[in-house]
Amino acid sequence: KNEVEQSPQNLTAQEGEFITINCSYSVGISALHWLQQHPGGGIVSLFMLSSGKKKHGRLIATINIQEKHSSLHITASHPRDSAVYICAVGGATNKLIFGTGTLLAVQP
Amino acid sequence: SAVISQKPSRDICQRGTSLTIQCQVDSQVTMMFWYRQQPGQSLTLIATANQGSEATYESGFVIDKFPISRPNLTFSTLTVSNMSPEDSSIYLCSVGVGSQYGYTFGSGTRLTVV
Repeated sequence: KNEVEQSPQNLTAQEGEFITINCSYSVGISALHWLQQHPGGGIVSLFMLSSGKKKHGRLIATINIQEKHSSLHITASHPRDSAVYICAVGGATNKLIFGTGTLLAVQP
Repeated sequence: SAVISQKPSRDICQRGTSLTIQCQVDSQVTMMFWYRQQPGQSLTLIATANQGSEATYESGFVIDKFPISRPNLTFSTLTVSNMSPEDSSIYLCSVGVGSQYGYTFGSGTRLTVV
């Protein structure tokens, strides 16, 4: 079993839909990261969470430390949101453990 | 947060040759990491590049195959040596002061070995 599990693996949505991507982890962490990877391969850091909730534009990230679970929400989805979304956790060391990613396709 | 310039963005190389990937950061950073992402897979840490000393490699990765340089706190290179088709991947560098402070990633190098 992977230490970081994401669901779903693939997600297709219509433009305007509300999207949720889930991440569960089994290790102790100091922070959880949500990352966005576009087809070219580059990665953008969206959020870093250690508790509660963060919002940036149409993106919302939440984390429940007790349940070891985080969600990334996208409101009013748009085709430009199409990308791979990756959950990663960091612990006592500086190393990140990555989930396998969720491939999101938003259709116009 | 730091800004990273990673080069080249992509390359197609012949087997048996070597490719050096560069990452330039716009500020001094202590921690720099090199990752590999094989097709359809998640990121795997290759090594941590340390300024002034040898890189720290993860299990399954060796210096002879992936030599790393870190001459100062703003620059690092990763060389993929004696390449084979199995080395076809995206290679990314990343910097972070520690997991508490977040990470910045380079734009990635998409390597195809033929």
